[in-house]
Order: sequence, then C-alpha cells, then structure tokens
Amino acid sequence: SYVLTQPPSVAAAPGQTARITCGGNNIGTKSVHWYQRKPGQAPVLVVYDDSDRPSGIPERFSGSNSGNTATLTISRVEAGDEADYYCQVWDSSSDVVVFGGGTKLTVL
Amino acid sequence: QVQLVESGGGVVQPGGSLRLSCAASGFNFNIYGMHWVRQAPGKGLEWVAFIRFDGTNKYYADSVKGRFTISRDNSKNTLYVHMDTLGAEDTAVYYCAKDKLGNTPHYFDSWGQGTLVTVSS
Repeated sequence: SYVLTQPPSVAAAPGQTARITCGGNNIGTKSVHWYQRKPGQAPVLVVYDDSDRPSGIPERFSGSNSGNTATLTISRVEAGDEADYYCQVWDSSSDVVVFGGGTKLTVL
Repeated sequence: QVQLVESGGGVVQPGGSLRLSCAASGFNFNIYGMHWVRQAPGKGLEWVAFIRFDGTNKYYADSVKGRFTISRDNSKNTLYVHMDTLGAEDTAVYYCAKDKLGNTPHYFDSWGQGTLVTVSS
C-alpha cells in the first residue's frame, strides 16, 4: 500500500520559516492535502490540491509538490501555528485514503 | 455553516459492537461523499472508511475491512458506521468528515468534533 513519510518533528523560531515534508513514491503525480491539528480540536484543512488555500487560511501557509516530495511551508511562524500537521492523498490504485504519520511543529 | 455532530461513542468490551452516528447540517448532505477518520491515543490520524454521496460505493481501510460497515441515510442527513469485533486497537476518537467531492475521495473540508470509543473489559 502507498506510504507517506513525514518527519516526526520540526522546530522554528517566531518569524522564521518552517518547512514540513511529506515523502511518497511519485507523490508529484497525486494531489496532496494538508491538515493542522491542535490539541483538543478537530483537524483543519490548511492546503489542498498541493498548493491552494481554503478561505480563512493565512497566506503564510503554502504548499508545493514535485517528484517524491510534497512540502508545506509556513512563513513568518507564529506561536499559534504550533500544532501537528498531516499530509493526505487518495491512492486510487488501491482505493484508500492515506495520511502521513504527522509532524509536530514546535515554535521555539 | 457546515455542522457535523458525532454520537454513539462509549466503552465497549473486546469483541463487542457499536454504532456511531454523525448528524449533518448546513449543507446539501446528499451530494457529498463522507468519511470516518480516527485517532488513537498518542497516534496520528487514520482514515477508516468512505461512502459515496448516494451510498453506492464504499471504501475501507485494511485495518477495518470486514468488521466495519459505513452507511448513510440521506433522508435524515445522517452518516453511520457499524463496528463489529472490536479490539483494543480500535480505541480512538472517531471523526466524521465531509469530502469536497461526491463520487470519489478527495479531501476533507469539514470535520466534526469527534466521539471517543474505548474498547476495554
């Protein structure tokens, strides 16, 4: 089955840029979506279709996808961005939705 | 305003069964695909199942295939999952989530707040 690999943790100081990667075999051929999950809250979609942002999500959140890696980039990191982030794809070859293992973003 | 409200969680013994419900409002329920997603304590998000807008296509994670059944009642704007042969590994918060599309899974654009299922003797 299709596997998505994320680093367990990423850290960034306020005002800096955080990059969270999501690795998968030829992931560049799939649409990748990203979710933010804070403790005690439901997940929130922050990027869909590789690089689009839902309404209400700050422009600081952006995404890219090419080759074997998709990346969520958070510019000008704020304390409120501290959360777990998950990438997700639909694997049509096996009819399953796949999540990455999640990355904990720590704001230093 | 999309609203998804899960119910039916609780404590169940190993080998037991449980049915979760998700009441939907604020959107045209009968044209969107719907999912169940879970998160076990200390673990990441795990997709459980998807059902097409009209209920004709259903997809399941390998971990629940043959034990869980997803269904929907479009006349009641309600999503269900019936869970059989529950084990400790099924202990999790279960979320109902709305898909962007109706026919095949794409992404989750709205989520409920979740309902906790604990499998324990």
